[in-house]
Amino acid sequence: AQSVTQLGSHVSVSEGALVLLRCNYSSSVPPYLFWYVQYPNQGLQLLLKYTTGATLVKGINGFEAEFKKSETSFHLTKPSAHMSDAAEYFCAVGLSGNEKLTFGTGTRLTIIP
Amino acid sequence: EAEVAQSPRYKITEKSQAVAFWCDPISGHATLYWYRQILGQGPELLVQFQDESVVDDSQLPKDRFSAERLKGVDSTLKIQPAELGDSAMYLCASSSQTGVHHEQYFGPGTRLTVT
Repeated sequence: AQSVTQLGSHVSVSEGALVLLRCNYSSSVPPYLFWYVQYPNQGLQLLLKYTTGATLVKGINGFEAEFKKSETSFHLTKPSAHMSDAAEYFCAVGLSGNEKLTFGTGTRLTIIP
Repeated sequence: EAEVAQSPRYKITEKSQAVAFWCDPISGHATLYWYRQILGQGPELLVQFQDESVVDDSQLPKDRFSAERLKGVDSTLKIQPAELGDSAMYLCASSSQTGVHHEQYFGPGTRLTVT
């Protein structure tokens, strides 16, 4: 079975500051890891994913995440926050051979002008 | 850019009534998912289709929920009778291939309020 924990249901950062959203996973086998973004009253959009290979993954809108097996983490970062980054962010985990994605409870990111 | 279409966007219904949601996936996408997202939580998979066949419906409350994808294209999710606890966002997603590592494209969702 797999699970994912997002630390911090709400995160606020100033415009131009570093964004760090935390995600830890639990999996008995090597996982596939994803970050999705959801704007108000919209569906989810894939930011980035880790399947195999390079552990530092770059995504859209300047976001990146690093898969750290030893820490079972897949934290999402962006060097400089923009007002348009305000949204809800979901970390998700999936396993090869199991078609099901398991999502975390989400982190609401607020950008302070 | 192709998108997943869902309708209606918003639905208010009284408990014990029937309600249905429709999803049209991106053309050519064989895999279709229905998720339920309760306020403050992440999406939870209800049912997954590969073409017209159900691959996983283990989390679908089958006493009141049903889903179909008769021609392997668009899909309908039905609730009968609706209960207060069914109030949530219902999201449809599609993927070009089966396999969890393939990107799922989400529609805008249907927000259901049961009164």
